[in-house]
Amino acid sequence: QVQLQESGPGLVKPSQTLSLTCTASGGSISSGSYYWSWIRQPAGKGLEWIGRIYTSGSTNYNPSLKSRVTISVDTSKNQFSLKLSSVTAADTAVYYCAGGVGYYDSSGYYYGFDYWGQGTLVTVSS
Amino acid sequence: QSVVTQPPSASGTPGQRVTISCSGSSSNIGSNTVNWYQQLPGTAPKLLIYSNNQRPSGVPDRFSGSKSGTSASLAISGLQSEDEADYYCATWDDSLNGVVFGGGTKLTVL
Repeated sequence: QVQLQESGPGLVKPSQTLSLTCTASGGSISSGSYYWSWIRQPAGKGLEWIGRIYTSGSTNYNPSLKSRVTISVDTSKNQFSLKLSSVTAADTAVYYCAGGVGYYDSSGYYYGFDYWGQGTLVTVSS
Repeated sequence: QSVVTQPPSASGTPGQRVTISCSGSSSNIGSNTVNWYQQLPGTAPKLLIYSNNQRPSGVPDRFSGSKSGTSASLAISGLQSEDEADYYCATWDDSLNGVVFGGGTKLTVL
């Protein structure tokens, strides 16, 4: 059973870059057809998918954030990371890392989040 | 404004059956599988239903999912107080090439 843990600064100044790391334990992020995602949730609001990475390095990003997001992976450390540039107060949220398998079958494309980190609050403020 | 729509709230009394709808389009629910997540207050979401109607190990059979065309539903029978939570549907969107979440439904057990 994989456990995920987010880490990084809880306070980021406007216009700067938000950087978070997710460390996996209890299993390798390189095993199976797992894709590793970042998801965020502003206080009192819903979930927003930010993007994902496969251990090959291939990525998909939310089009609304794509110009500011970079997700990377370091398999040697069993970690993947998020960088979000030019942040504003609107980027204040709880950020979750999550992972699951992705594949096509007769029902279409499946991608679900089996594993979640506990979440980390990032506040954008001067 | 999410491309996948859920009612913002739902409610029921203990023992009742409630359903939560999730409406999308041909590029998301119409083409791909739907997952449901339960988020208890102050915690991370948890996978509740995957691949439209499958329950992960440990999820009570009171929870069930279905999909028809561009819509999906989550049903909870024998409602219990511990079911009070936010519920999100999610699926892949072929046009956006990414995951889309519904706006979430807050379930209140009266």
